[in-house]
Amino acid sequence: VKLVESGGGIVKPGGSLKLSCAASGFIFSNAWMSWVRQAPGKGLEWLGRIKSKSDGGTSDYAAPVEGRFTVSRDDSINTLYLQMNSLKMDDTAFYYCTTYGSGWDLNYWGQGTLVTVAS
Amino acid sequence: QTVVTQEPSLTVSPGGTVTLTCASSTGAVTSSYYPNWFQQKPGQAPRALIYSTSNKYSWTPARFSGSLLGGKAALTLSGVQPEDEAEYYCLLYYGAAQVFGGGTRLTVL
Repeated sequence: VKLVESGGGIVKPGGSLKLSCAASGFIFSNAWMSWVRQAPGKGLEWLGRIKSKSDGGTSDYAAPVEGRFTVSRDDSINTLYLQMNSLKMDDTAFYYCTTYGSGWDLNYWGQGTLVTVAS
Repeated sequence: QTVVTQEPSLTVSPGGTVTLTCASSTGAVTSSYYPNWFQQKPGQAPRALIYSTSNKYSWTPARFSGSLLGGKAALTLSGVQPEDEAEYYCLLYYGAAQVFGGGTRLTVL
């Protein structure tokens, strides 16, 4: 299993950014996926998940980001996305994508991509 | 807002045993919360250790074990090694959302 995040960078407050997670080594279309972030020097924060299309393809979000962040997927190119809008300085963090295992577990993680929100 | 609480820090001697716990502001943690445990070392992504309370991955060292203890999820390290010095996080399932604990910094000294 390999997960490679990209798309991080510096963005101004109020701006938008779309992160990608390229997946390989497993059948992506069958996988539930999630995004987790970690502000520098802080703990982990679960952001949201997306189910496989065969399980409905729906998404769930943590309350702090619901309405601003959207998780989506393109199974044709084995890629997970995180669209982030109305970014705040508090959104500065490393963003990780993960796979779900069989027990609501986040079993495989990417190396993360850094998003910095600054003016 | 749901809060998941872990000990901020613990210290253990090499070869010793230590138990980290994970509590929920909603009440007792049960197997229905599907407790997960993760290890994170500086500069690295987190690594999954335990899922569904006590299940291990193929890469999880035998000295790590998960359980429920006194209404909390627990991670026990038996025969601690110097390389176990790290931050440990639990993750609980609340249906539409999942919530991480604040993490426990484990020092091996």
